Amino acid sequence: GDSVTQTEGPVTVSESESLIINCTYSATSIAYPNLFWYVRYPGEGLQLLLKVITAGQKGSSRGFEATYNKETTSFHLQKASVQESDSAVYYCALGRSSGSWQLIFGSGTQLTVMP
Amino acid sequence: AQTIHQWPVAEIKAVGSPLSLGCTIKGKSSPNLYWYWQATGGTLQQLFYSITVGQVESVVQLNLSASRPKDDQFILSTEKLLLSHSGFYLCAWNQANTEVFFGKGTRLTVV
Repeated sequence: GDSVTQTEGPVTVSESESLIINCTYSATSIAYPNLFWYVRYPGEGLQLLLKVITAGQKGSSRGFEATYNKETTSFHLQKASVQESDSAVYYCALGRSSGSWQLIFGSGTQLTVMP
Repeated sequence: AQTIHQWPVAEIKAVGSPLSLGCTIKGKSSPNLYWYWQATGGTLQQLFYSITVGQVESVVQLNLSASRPKDDQFILSTEKLLLSHSGFYLCAWNQANTEVFFGKGTRLTVV
């Protein structure tokens, strides 16, 4: 079946350091799944950070970037310089149509940014 | 603007007791509705979806049931809780295959 694997947490980095959270996917039911990064800030609901629906394209939001790489089946999340306010749980997900619109999530990565 | 409200925020329940979790979506007509669940240490997975009032499809069997009594309301329930039901429950909505919007979730602890 379809699945998503991402960096095991927790991850701790210092403010202004660079960040990469790895995400790889396996999609057996669909050739070109849509790919997403969701984020849950403390006390908030899960919200979309960025999405890419076309292989080879890059998505960006709030200084974060991720490139849809079909060859390596990866969608790594990167940021050049993190801030304390980026502390949150990040989820990689693929989207597919299967009766309904379904998101297949990775296990989530808890990120803590130290001041 | 659309809003999604989940209740309760957290619950501690005994094994064998009943459960009812709720979700309402305001500001959107005929949304697709979803229940997602994450066990402690597990991944978020879709449990149910509903495309229209009165129709609910099960995606994962967990001895839970869901109902959609109104266009803007989605209920998750069971008559007898198991320890394995503990976790984080998220209600969500979208329209067609557009962005999915999530509620803030309910933390359920079964003791």
